[in-house]
Amino acid sequence: EPEVTQTPSHQVTQMGQEVILRCVPISNHLYFYWYRQILGQKVEFLVSFYNNEISEKSEIFDDQFSVERPDGSNFTLKIRSTKLEDSAMYFCATGQGSYEQYFGPGTRLTVT
Amino acid sequence: EDQVTQSPEALRLQEGESSSLNCSYTVSGLRGLFWYRQDPGKGPEFLFTLYSAGEEKEKERLKATLTKKESFLHITAPKPEDSATYLCAVPDSSYKLIFGSGTRLLVRP
Repeated sequence: EPEVTQTPSHQVTQMGQEVILRCVPISNHLYFYWYRQILGQKVEFLVSFYNNEISEKSEIFDDQFSVERPDGSNFTLKIRSTKLEDSAMYFCATGQGSYEQYFGPGTRLTVT
Repeated sequence: EDQVTQSPEALRLQEGESSSLNCSYTVSGLRGLFWYRQDPGKGPEFLFTLYSAGEEKEKERLKATLTKKESFLHITAPKPEDSATYLCAVPDSSYKLIFGSGTRLLVRP
């Protein structure tokens, strides 16, 4: 069964450093999302991406965040200058249409 | 404002003791309601989509139902491996998912 994969599974970084989180979507999916979950809190939306551009972004997704599909298959989330409060699980989700979304296993980001 | 509320926050059951989890929602136009299972440190695993009131979906010991204001996830004769957090989510008008806080289910042998 096809699945969404994410790398790395765990990333530890120092405050102010840049990180890139990677996702390989299910092959025929066209809609891509990033969500995050701070420990003990709800899963919250960051950004949606369709047709090689951002469809919508949340208030959390400020100028420090960016997304792209560098090679037409991978989908990346970049945080330019990490803050302590960026520590969370980051989930990539993909969908065939604009409804059902399938999530990857997540990347645990720890900012020290 | 679109909102999803789940109850109870936590539920402890004995193996074989059936129960139900609740998800109430407020959304401007229902575009589906999704149930996910999440194990600790993992991503949400898709379980069901329900699109209209009266619809029911089943998978093994789980059955999801939908009314105009809420959804129930019924667990029949649960086993310890059903222990997880169950998340409910609805897409808003731009299709981003609005999640509830989840119900943490613990099934004791």
